[in-house]
Amino acid sequence: SQQGEEDPQALSIQEGENATMNCSYKTSINNLQWYRQNSGRGLVHLILIRSNEREKHSGRLRVTLDTSKKSSSLLITASRAADTASYFCATDAGGAGSYQLTFGKGTKLSVIP
Amino acid sequence: DSGVTQTPKHLITATGQRVTLRCSPRSGDLSVYWYQQSLDQGLQFLIQYYNGEERAKGNILERFSAQQFPDLHSELNLSSLELGDSALYFCASSPRGFSYNEQFFGPGTRLTVL
Repeated sequence: SQQGEEDPQALSIQEGENATMNCSYKTSINNLQWYRQNSGRGLVHLILIRSNEREKHSGRLRVTLDTSKKSSSLLITASRAADTASYFCATDAGGAGSYQLTFGKGTKLSVIP
Repeated sequence: DSGVTQTPKHLITATGQRVTLRCSPRSGDLSVYWYQQSLDQGLQFLIQYYNGEERAKGNILERFSAQQFPDLHSELNLSSLELGDSALYFCASSPRGFSYNEQFFGPGTRLTVL
């Protein structure tokens, strides 16, 4: 079963607008990661946020984490056509020695030029 | 380019057959992961190896098996193939295989079972 679930499933915006994607998960985690996938290609790591962090920035990306609500959001500011891709959150199983990540089904973002 | 290589890029085969997918991790990475991505199931974790040893197992069918060799490359063997096994198979690698490690994904192998 999926640990993380992204919302919305699909999002279409105009270039220059901000895009917000959400991820909800079910059990406690050590960290949460966001990945991007261009159509049919391998995933690319974007950012990692640890369970004791609330917000993290990387360039035009801003990630928040609310462990009380078991949710995270990814904000892409000033979107570009090149941001068109699917975005996945990935969570671990929590606990010591946690190894594997569980990926959600992703949000498909389309940025219209 | 992530530094992870996968061969072949495409594979077309028939039901009941057996195939082997190959993955070479990034230089220096000790851990290899295998994932299956299909439209209905999304990205499913199959199995993880660390320095030659199996470390974590996910939704891997009994018809599937994997191994990591001393040179750290890995192979995923799929046997008695069914139509439903058609999917993209990704390999990823990370330095030490912990969940806080960034995973580097290969370009994938697209398997079509006819």
